[in-house]
Amino acid sequence: AQTVTQSQPEMSVQEAETVTLSCTYDTSESDYYLFWYKQPPSRQMILVIRQEAYKQQNATENRFSVNFQKAAKSFSLKISDSQLGDAAMYFCAYRSNDYKLSFGAGTTVTVRA
Amino acid sequence: GAVVSQHPSRVICKSGTSVKIECRSLDFQATTMFWYRQFPKKSLMLMATSNEGSKATYEQGVEKDKFLINHASLTLSTLTVTSAHPEDSSFYICSARARGEGWSNQPQHFGDGTRLSIL
Repeated sequence: AQTVTQSQPEMSVQEAETVTLSCTYDTSESDYYLFWYKQPPSRQMILVIRQEAYKQQNATENRFSVNFQKAAKSFSLKISDSQLGDAAMYFCAYRSNDYKLSFGAGTTVTVRA
Repeated sequence: GAVVSQHPSRVICKSGTSVKIECRSLDFQATTMFWYRQFPKKSLMLMATSNEGSKATYEQGVEKDKFLINHASLTLSTLTVTSAHPEDSSFYICSARARGEGWSNQPQHFGDGTRLSIL
């Protein structure tokens, strides 16, 4: 399994501000997919955003965007205009050719009102 | 679309009993299902991969005889925790890959998970 590293166990952000979550991964594959998932207290896994490795353009979904640096094997998530509902645990995930997902340790995001 | 139903959502049972967790794809055919285990505030760890009609492939360190996985149809996979003990208490989540998605950007479709507590 690929190694996915999230070095920030916890992050706190003021409502309406921006927060960036870091993620790095290790792989020898050239084609793969990267995902960010949100897991609120309900523990439901919610897909936030996805990125194909062969695409140079960074993915964007409304207030969520990524900074994908393939050479550096880095895949950070930026949450803009943070809302109270963004509070959750966020997981970075790597999907290999066998369709398996490898998850990072997760980052708990707290949003301050 | 692409709904995965996992049942039960919560189960509490006595040590030594066996517990079965079901994972169903409601509106699609799931050629592959994945089973994960998650401890509180920790990451999801892949336990096994099951393909319809064939034996499950277990990740290193996962006991096959403890965690029995059956994927008898394209819409149902089950995880049975046999002779469960308190250390098996955890949150178990399934996910599915739909037929036809193949190598695409479609993500795995997750169930809502099962909280298993062994007394």
